[in-house]
Amino acid sequence: EAGVAQSPRYKIIEKRQSVAFWCNPISGHATLYWYQQILGQGPKLLIQFQNNGVVDDSQLPKDRFSAERLKGVDSTLKIQPAKLEDSAVYLCASSRNRGAGDTIYFGEGSWLTVV
Amino acid sequence: AQSVTQPDIHITVSEGASLELRCNYSYGATPYLFWYVQSPGQGLQLLLKYFSGDTLVQGIKGFEAEFKRSQSSFNLRKPSVHWSDAAEYFCAVEAMYSGGGADGLTFGKGTHLIIQP
Repeated sequence: EAGVAQSPRYKIIEKRQSVAFWCNPISGHATLYWYQQILGQGPKLLIQFQNNGVVDDSQLPKDRFSAERLKGVDSTLKIQPAKLEDSAVYLCASSRNRGAGDTIYFGEGSWLTVV
Repeated sequence: AQSVTQPDIHITVSEGASLELRCNYSYGATPYLFWYVQSPGQGLQLLLKYFSGDTLVQGIKGFEAEFKRSQSSFNLRKPSVHWSDAAEYFCAVEAMYSGGGADGLTFGKGTHLIIQP
């Protein structure tokens, strides 16, 4: 079974530029998550989708971050304009459903450096 | 809101020695608890999870964890570590919503495990 795929793996941009990250979850997984992991910290949930609907985006900085999952499969996370503090690893994850205890599988992450 | 505390930022253990990584959680109801491991440049891999029942849970790679409600703890243990266990370890709690589902994981800040030869 293929895992969660993310691209690009690495990206360096200047502040105020824009960047987009793509995620393809495990086939058949209805729930998709985007996490932000700043160096030295644990991952923080940015947004959670159930199929193509947003379940929770309470920690997403909506003035600069946006995410979509139009067809309920793959997803894109965009940052525009980027700030220095956005330097982090962006982890995409998926689970079969939102059922309690459904295992959440993580991709390898997209590393963003803002200079 | 739920939270997780991992008191140890770094732990150094000799190869072959036993290991215990501490995790304390704060959550108003019965928690769903997880331990993940992250190797350099890699994503997070699930080691084990606790939902209910037996408070001692077994995971992959020889790890186990014990849920202690009275102490709000979920410590990870391994009897004998290997050099390949060097990694970052994260404890996490999953929040439930009233319909019975889950709202994603809340992670601790992680413990960096160093293995001495």
